[in-house]
Amino acid sequence: DAGVTQSPTHLIKTRGQQVTLRCSPKSGHDTVSWYQQALGQGPQFIFQYYEEEERQRGNFPDRFSGHQFPNYSSELNVNALLLGDSALYLCASSRGQGAKGNTIYFGEGSWLTVV
Amino acid sequence: AQSVTQLDSHVSVSEGTPVLLRCNYSSSYSPSLFWYVQHPNKGLQLLLKYTSAATLVKGINGFEAEFKKSETSFHLTKPSAHMSDAAEYFCVVSETGRRALTFGSGTRLQVQP
Repeated sequence: DAGVTQSPTHLIKTRGQQVTLRCSPKSGHDTVSWYQQALGQGPQFIFQYYEEEERQRGNFPDRFSGHQFPNYSSELNVNALLLGDSALYLCASSRGQGAKGNTIYFGEGSWLTVV
Repeated sequence: AQSVTQLDSHVSVSEGTPVLLRCNYSSSYSPSLFWYVQHPNKGLQLLLKYTSAATLVKGINGFEAEFKKSETSFHLTKPSAHMSDAAEYFCVVSETGRRALTFGSGTRLQVQP
């Protein structure tokens, strides 16, 4: 049983460009959340998708957007990249939206470097 | 609002000695609390979780944590450290009904031979 898979694992982009990161949730999971982890910090919640809709959003600008597909996979898009967007982007999946009573699984992340 | 404070950014222990990683939380409502571990270049792995059942929670790899409401603490312990325990540990809180996890800033555990 594959866990949460993310692609690509590493990528380098230039300031002002756009990037798309992809996530496939663990089998049987219907909810996907995205987190940004800057170097030396804990992950920060970006947003959560359930039933193809954004259900909750953290304190991130509109340059960060996402999508969930009917097969529950998800994309994170970041436009107009800034140097400060360099981070590890983590995808998490669960069955159901709430954290209580659900076990949330994380992927290994996508390392984004903006130069 | 929910928040987590990990009281130590680095902890160093000798192999075979006890481990204590400290965490205090702030939550307006009944929280769920978690400890996650992150090994270098790896994703986050759930060690254990508290969701208002028993206050002493046992996790994987010999770790356990005790929920103390009066002290708003959720410290992580292990009786005997192993070299493979060297990693970054995150204390995490989530309030009932909220979807987001709020992470602490992490504690790097070093295990000396």
